[in-house]
Amino acid sequence: AQTVTQSQPEMSVQEAETVTLSCTYDTSESDYYLFWYKQPPSRQMILVIRQEAYKQQNATENRFSVNFQKAAKSFSLKISDSQLGDAAMYFCAYRSAYVPDKIIFGKGTRLHILP
Amino acid sequence: NAGVTQTPKFRVLKTGQSMTLLCAQDMNHEYMYWYRQDPGMGLRLIHYSVGEGTTAKGEVPDGYNVSRLKKQNFLLGLESAAPSQTSVYFCASSYIQFTDTQYFGPGTRLTVL
Repeated sequence: AQTVTQSQPEMSVQEAETVTLSCTYDTSESDYYLFWYKQPPSRQMILVIRQEAYKQQNATENRFSVNFQKAAKSFSLKISDSQLGDAAMYFCAYRSAYVPDKIIFGKGTRLHILP
Repeated sequence: NAGVTQTPKFRVLKTGQSMTLLCAQDMNHEYMYWYRQDPGMGLRLIHYSVGEGTTAKGEVPDGYNVSRLKKQNFLLGLESAAPSQTSVYFCASSYIQFTDTQYFGPGTRLTVL
């Protein structure tokens, strides 16, 4: 069975600095999708970034980028120039390309931004 | 364009009571999903729908029923609520399939006493 592990329950970063959130996953499948979602205090889940496993190039969205290491089954999220509005829970998620209902979320990392 | 909306935002039930959570989306999405989020855990899929009139079980379907009579609405029902169903419930929708970007509603906090 697939698993998603976020080993950092909480992290803090100084405003304007860079922070990396880690995510590892376990799967025997060759095709899948990986996501990072942000959940601010408002509770709404917001997609931050999406990576397709068959694409070697790391996805980037403005200040957010990933380091996707398929062989190591690692999918870390880097936030550059951290802003106060980045404070939230961040969830890593795995979605199978073969089984439509197989979406697995990690337990989340709470990110604090220090002014 | 309201996106994905959920009704109600909060609810308190007694054990054995029933209720229905309503999810509505105005993006003409085919796929809709219901998740639950418990403390210290990520989201878990309860049920989903791949189109009007269809439903399917997710990871944790027991104790819940769903209906998708209209494309824009996805209802989650609890026939006999139990304290174990205390959770935050999220609805989501996507245009094509699970791999597509999912848009989430604001959540419903349900407490079962």
